[in-house]
Amino acid sequence: AQKVTQAQTEISVVEKEDVTLDCVYETRDTTYYLFWYKQPPSGELVFLIRRNSFDEQNEISGRYSWNFQKSTSSFNFTITASQVVDSAVYFCALSESGGFKTIFGAGTRLFVKA
Amino acid sequence: EADIYQTPRYLVIGTGKKITLECSQTMGHDKMYWYQQDPGMELHLIHYSYGVNSTEKGDLSSESTVSRIRTEHFPLTLESARPSHTSQYLCASSELGPYSPLHFGNGTRLTVT
Repeated sequence: AQKVTQAQTEISVVEKEDVTLDCVYETRDTTYYLFWYKQPPSGELVFLIRRNSFDEQNEISGRYSWNFQKSTSSFNFTITASQVVDSAVYFCALSESGGFKTIFGAGTRLFVKA
Repeated sequence: EADIYQTPRYLVIGTGKKITLECSQTMGHDKMYWYQQDPGMELHLIHYSYGVNSTEKGDLSSESTVSRIRTEHFPLTLESARPSHTSQYLCASSELGPYSPLHFGNGTRLTVT
């Protein structure tokens, strides 16, 4: 069965601090896809990144970076030099190649204080 | 500019009323979903659809029903609203493959008094 665990319920940082959001997943498939979404206070979930199980290369996009490690079944998300606009709930999600549904973690609420 | 639209954005309604939450997308996506979410909390899949005339129940039991008569339209109906239905309802769509990210609407916040 597939499962996504985001152990951090809430994180609070001060602007310009770096912050890492953890995501651990479980799946029996060898082919699967991992996603991160952002839900700002306005409520709409926005897709940030996708990784497939064959691509363990880490990715950097501006202040955002993602670390995918199959050995530990983790797909962690780091925000460098956080800003107030980064305040949101962040969801990690998993989709298996043979499945239809995308399974979401419980989310991590990030507060960035000025 | 949003490609997936939900109306109404907010709805306050009395117990026992019938309501329909609208969701439309202009991307031609075959897959559509309804999630229920208490604000900022976990998402629970309540319905999904592979395409026209295909609907399935999700992981969370729901008293709502859905229909998919047109590709772009996936309305959700509650025949008799109850206070326990108070929540946020998020509609999403995606392409067919499991690699496709979900595109979400901005949600309908429902309050049943």
